[in-house]
Amino acid sequence: EDQVTQSPEALRLQEGESSSLNCSYTVSGLRGLFWYRQDPGKGPEFLFTLYSAGEEKEKERLKATLTKKESFLHITAPKPEDSATYLCAVQPMEYGNKLVFGAGTILRVKS
Amino acid sequence: GAVVSQHPSWVICKSGTSVKIECRSLDFQATTMFWYRQFPKQSLMLMATSNEGSKATYEQGVEKDKFLINHASLTLSTLTVTSAHPEDSSFYICSARRQGGVETQYFGPGTRLLVL
Repeated sequence: EDQVTQSPEALRLQEGESSSLNCSYTVSGLRGLFWYRQDPGKGPEFLFTLYSAGEEKEKERLKATLTKKESFLHITAPKPEDSATYLCAVQPMEYGNKLVFGAGTILRVKS
Repeated sequence: GAVVSQHPSWVICKSGTSVKIECRSLDFQATTMFWYRQFPKQSLMLMATSNEGSKATYEQGVEKDKFLINHASLTLSTLTVTSAHPEDSSFYICSARRQGGVETQYFGPGTRLLVL
């Protein structure tokens, strides 16, 4: 069964305190791995797509990496506006277009 | 960009009435759209996959007669919650898959439904 596990469930950081969020996955074959950001009461906002182990992508203070079993979302010198829930999703080969979501990591950055 | 809109953003209705939610891809064509629901502090649960010009594919446990999906054009899908009950109150989110290149799903802002 395809599974996505995100850790930690919640993370509190001081402004400027860098950290990483983890997304572990189990799939029979990976078509792609996606990171989204979701603010309360809003739909998820697309951040990154990763396709193969070793791939890395960056956007401002965020950097996503991928291995054969997990993905990390590194946040460098976070600011309060980075506070949100970060969702990881995988697209298994066998499911066509479907995404399997993790439960998310709630990030709070305090100034 | 890849913009997806939803209308309405929130709706309150009486038990037994039907509610229609629209999902539009504003700047791209989407042959496939998806409908999710999300309960408080939980992740997204896929309800159905909507394909333009054909019947939707529903996930196990989702009643297709209760949640009617129509994907009449390459930019519009609708979800109708029929005979809504309080337990249908939730946050409904659609997404659209952009054709060509990466297969990323872009999400709408969501619709908050409250059934009294």
